[in-house]
Amino acid sequence: EAQVTQNPRYLITVTGKKLTVTCSQNMNHEYMSWYRQDPGLGLRQIYYSMNVEVTDKGDVPEGYKVSRKEKRNFPLILESPSPNQTSLYFCASSLSQAFETQYFGPGTRLLVL
Amino acid sequence: GESVGLHLPTLSVQEGDNSIINCAYSNSASDYFIWYKQESGKGPQFIIDIRSNMDKRQGQRVTVLLNKTVKHLSLQIAATQPGDSAVYFCAEKAGTGGFKTIFGAGTRLFVKA
Repeated sequence: EAQVTQNPRYLITVTGKKLTVTCSQNMNHEYMSWYRQDPGLGLRQIYYSMNVEVTDKGDVPEGYKVSRKEKRNFPLILESPSPNQTSLYFCASSLSQAFETQYFGPGTRLLVL
Repeated sequence: GESVGLHLPTLSVQEGDNSIINCAYSNSASDYFIWYKQESGKGPQFIIDIRSNMDKRQGQRVTVLLNKTVKHLSLQIAATQPGDSAVYFCAEKAGTGGFKTIFGAGTRLFVKA
């Protein structure tokens, strides 16, 4: 089954404790992206990757890191999480960065205390 | 700055009626627009898309209209069903080559039985 998977689905952590949210897709997609969703703000793009070893900032990259060492994986790293990063995070992928629809993962709900 | 917004945060319709969800965008250079549906506890799901060289595109029970003159996008759902209850987001691909995706804040559609 073609899908985007994220782990963990729920995470409670404390300020400053490094964490990684994994994202994996099995569709051989080139383009992958991370979004955060906050009430009233819709989805905001954090980082995106157009292919292996090619990443760039979205609209809200501060406090986040990403890497794309393999085509299928695109982990989101929070080196020192803060309470304002409490949010619902979605990973998405598409065949390319052009006129292609994105397929979204199920989301990761993060609470930073 | 670039932004995509929605006129109404909530919309309530009677089952069987048609629904119209509106969206305004500000970047006249955007050339690809997408509507997503998000059900509770799930990631956004593609509904329909349209390129800027088109004014109208139809899918199964859905139609997207694009008015570039006033930078307005709308989603029409025919014979709205209870399963259509969800949050609907419009999104635009912005930037050279469409690298970034900008989402609106979303409209919650309630379908009354």
